[in-house]
Amino acid sequence: KNQVEQSPQSLIILEGKNCTLQCNYTVSPFSNLRWYKQDTGRGPVSLTIMTFSENTKSNGRYTATLDADTKQSSLHITASQLSDSASYICVVSATDYKLSFGAGTTVTVRA
Amino acid sequence: NAGVTQTPKFQVLKTGQSMTLQCAQDMNHEYMSWYRQDPGMGLRLIHYSVGAGITDQGEVPNGYNVSRSTTEDFPLRLLSAAPSQTSVYFCASTRGQVGSGNTIYFGEGSWLTVV
Repeated sequence: KNQVEQSPQSLIILEGKNCTLQCNYTVSPFSNLRWYKQDTGRGPVSLTIMTFSENTKSNGRYTATLDADTKQSSLHITASQLSDSASYICVVSATDYKLSFGAGTTVTVRA
Repeated sequence: NAGVTQTPKFQVLKTGQSMTLQCAQDMNHEYMSWYRQDPGMGLRLIHYSVGAGITDQGEVPNGYNVSRSTTEDFPLRLLSAAPSQTSVYFCASTRGQVGSGNTIYFGEGSWLTVV
């Protein structure tokens, strides 16, 4: 069964600090991996999309990496801001176009 | 350009009642889908549509019906609400095939409580 595991489940960081979120997947055959940001009470919003051939992609202070060999991805947040407080969801697509969603990592940024 | 619009935002139902969650998109996307989000779990696909007149079941379709009479609209119907259907529901749309690398746009969610 295709699975997406995210860690940690939640984390708290101080404003201005960096953090890294992890995503491990067993989806096969792999097509692409996405990271979404979901603010409390809102719908998910796309941050990055990476295909098999891409190993890093940035969107402002967000940088995603992908290691397709080990089936791992990370999302790095640089110089965190209060507005980064949200849930971050890893979504992996198989070549049959089915999506597998992780349960998300909840990030809390404190002043 | 409003993107994906869902209504209502909040709804409380009694067990056995029926209702329809509305979803509309103004981006002329072929693919639309409904997900439910429960605590500690990833989003799960309920039903999806690859174009007007075409719908199919997802991972958790029981208790829900959909139709796609136009490209823009994709309503989700709860036939006889049960407490297990208490959840947050998200409608999503994308151009072409989901999983193809195109951005998936989500609505703002509908919070449903069945008592």
